[in-house]
Amino acid sequence: GAVVSQHPSRVICKSGTSVKIECRSLDFQATTMFWYRQFPKQSLMLMATSNEGSKATYEQGVEKDKFLINHASLTLSTLTVTSAHPEDSSFYICSASIGKQTGAGYTFGSGTRLTVV
Amino acid sequence: DQQVKQNSPSLSVQEGRISILNCDYTNSMFDYFLWYKKYPAEGPTFLISISSIKDKNEDGRFTVFLNKSAKHLSLHIVPSQPGDSAVYFCAASLSGGYNKLIFGAGTRLAVHP
Repeated sequence: GAVVSQHPSRVICKSGTSVKIECRSLDFQATTMFWYRQFPKQSLMLMATSNEGSKATYEQGVEKDKFLINHASLTLSTLTVTSAHPEDSSFYICSASIGKQTGAGYTFGSGTRLTVV
Repeated sequence: DQQVKQNSPSLSVQEGRISILNCDYTNSMFDYFLWYKKYPAEGPTFLISISSIKDKNEDGRFTVFLNKSAKHLSLHIVPSQPGDSAVYFCAASLSGGYNKLIFGAGTRLAVHP
């Protein structure tokens, strides 16, 4: 089945630095990727939708200059948290759509736990 | 504005009994609904889905019911097993497979022996 590999699984960074999270589709081409954020005991909140070769579409309230999304190829999308602050500490998850209206049409990465100190 | 709601943050069920997790939505344009199981620090795992043209979908121990007039869906797990203990998320989509998923807040299910 379709697999999305997300790295790193956890990262600790200093306040003010930038962190890059990668999501790769291993055995399929992901034309659309979604980036979610989950705070403890809360829902998965969609941050942005990215389509290969075009600019990402950000959800209301998400700072596009802070959360840089690049989807330069059909197998790789990256999320860069720039000038990270402690309030950016969260669990970030990517998801890829393979364009089928089935449950398997959405495949999730294993997530990245970001801690900003 | 929460378009997908799971009003029960937690549910405790005895092993072997039925678990019923509920989900309500407000956007009548949603046409595809999914249930995911999630463990801490992991990505969601797909369980079962249903298209808005159906009112029931069954897969093994999991059955999802959709009541469009009430904008309500539920996930039934029977019989419940201790391994089912996790957080369950309901999600909805427009034109499923192409569009973003809107998640509910999740329900933590605990199945005890």
